[in-house]
Amino acid sequence: KAGVTQTPRYLIKTRGQQVTLSCSPISGHRSVSWYQQTPGQGLQFLFEYFSETQRNKGNFPGRFSGRQFSNSRSEMNVSTLELGDSALYLCASSSLAGANTGELFFGEGSRLTVL
Amino acid sequence: GEDVEQSLFLSVREGDSSVINCTYTDSSSTYLYWYKQEPGAGLQLLTYIFSNMDMKQDQRLTVLLNKKDKHLSLRIADTQTGDSAIYFCAETYYGGATNKLIFGTGTLLAVQP
Repeated sequence: KAGVTQTPRYLIKTRGQQVTLSCSPISGHRSVSWYQQTPGQGLQFLFEYFSETQRNKGNFPGRFSGRQFSNSRSEMNVSTLELGDSALYLCASSSLAGANTGELFFGEGSRLTVL
Repeated sequence: GEDVEQSLFLSVREGDSSVINCTYTDSSSTYLYWYKQEPGAGLQLLTYIFSNMDMKQDQRLTVLLNKKDKHLSLRIADTQTGDSAIYFCAETYYGGATNKLIFGTGTLLAVQP
């Protein structure tokens, strides 16, 4: 069974640009969550999608958005990039909605550098 | 509040036991988890414990939960160099429309040969 696939793995952008990151969950998993990982803030929850609907949302500004497609693949978008958006963005999939399953399967992440 | 605390660093010798500690805040958490992150990789679920349990053992891993003190620990027996990684504890958080995992700050485990 293929794992969670995130693309691209690495990317460099400049301030003011926008970026789209993609996540393909494990086959059969309908829940996709996104996390931002930085040395200063650690792992911060961005949002969770289940069956194309955003179910949960963290405390991030509106520049961070996402969506989920009918095949459960998800994308997240960050507009008007700031230096502080430089981070490892991790996607995780699970077979059930909500946070109380414990079975989150993570991808290897997309490392974004904003110059 | 949402705050899960861990010590930043732990160094042990190969073959010794490692104990990684975590304190959490949300007493309503249903599950508490331990994840492992190796360099350049995502997080891998190691084990989890249901909140009505005090202990869970899984091969070399032992999880202890003290609900009164909101303290969680992960013991790794016979620690190997391959166990060197960052370990995160996490709790479920229920707040309004948001259900999510709150991760700790992570503990870097360094295993000396």
